[in-house]
Amino acid sequence: DAGVIQSPRHEVTEMGQEVTLRCKPISGHDYLFWYRQTMMRGLELLIYFNNNVPIDDSGMPEDRFSAKMPNASFSTLKIQPSEPRDSAVYFCASSSPPRGISSGNTIYFGEGSWLTVV
Amino acid sequence: EDKVVQSPLSLVVHEGDTVTLNCSYEVTNFRSLLWYKQEKKAPTFLFMLTSSGIEKKSGRLSSILDKKELFSILNITATQTGDSAVYLCTQGGSEKLVFGKGMKLTVNP
Repeated sequence: DAGVIQSPRHEVTEMGQEVTLRCKPISGHDYLFWYRQTMMRGLELLIYFNNNVPIDDSGMPEDRFSAKMPNASFSTLKIQPSEPRDSAVYFCASSSPPRGISSGNTIYFGEGSWLTVV
Repeated sequence: EDKVVQSPLSLVVHEGDTVTLNCSYEVTNFRSLLWYKQEKKAPTFLFMLTSSGIEKKSGRLSSILDKKELFSILNITATQTGDSAVYLCTQGGSEKLVFGKGMKLTVNP
């Protein structure tokens, strides 16, 4: 299995530009998560999808951020317009549903997209 | 609101030392507590704990959960420089995993 695949791995862009991050989850996983990681705030959940439907986007910082999942094998996170404070590592992760009430779920992370907005 | 708190936030030790990392949590509908290790890239899965008092072991790493007191510990014995990483704790109250800020461990030779 190739794991969760993200692109681009690194992006440097100017303030005001649109940024699109892409993710391919592990085949067969029903859940897809977008996280943002910074030194100050740690790993924050931005949004997650179940069966391509957004379930909770309460972590999306503001309207400049949007995420889509048009099919089971692809998701995008878009920032428009980007700002320097958006500089962070953005992780995509996927998981399959827990098998029972007490089993929990393990999520698998992509390698991350390292975004720098100057 | 679900919450996870890790302590200490950073630790520097020498090779061969034993370290204990702490994670306390508050969550409704608790299902599991997970530990991840993050080196320079993505977090990688270490343990999932669902029952109190049952120790999970993997080599020099072990972890245990106390559901009454709402905490978990991760032990690393005979530390090596390769153990240097950020260790993340998360609770799986639902499909939405809430992570702690992580604990940065530095193991010096």
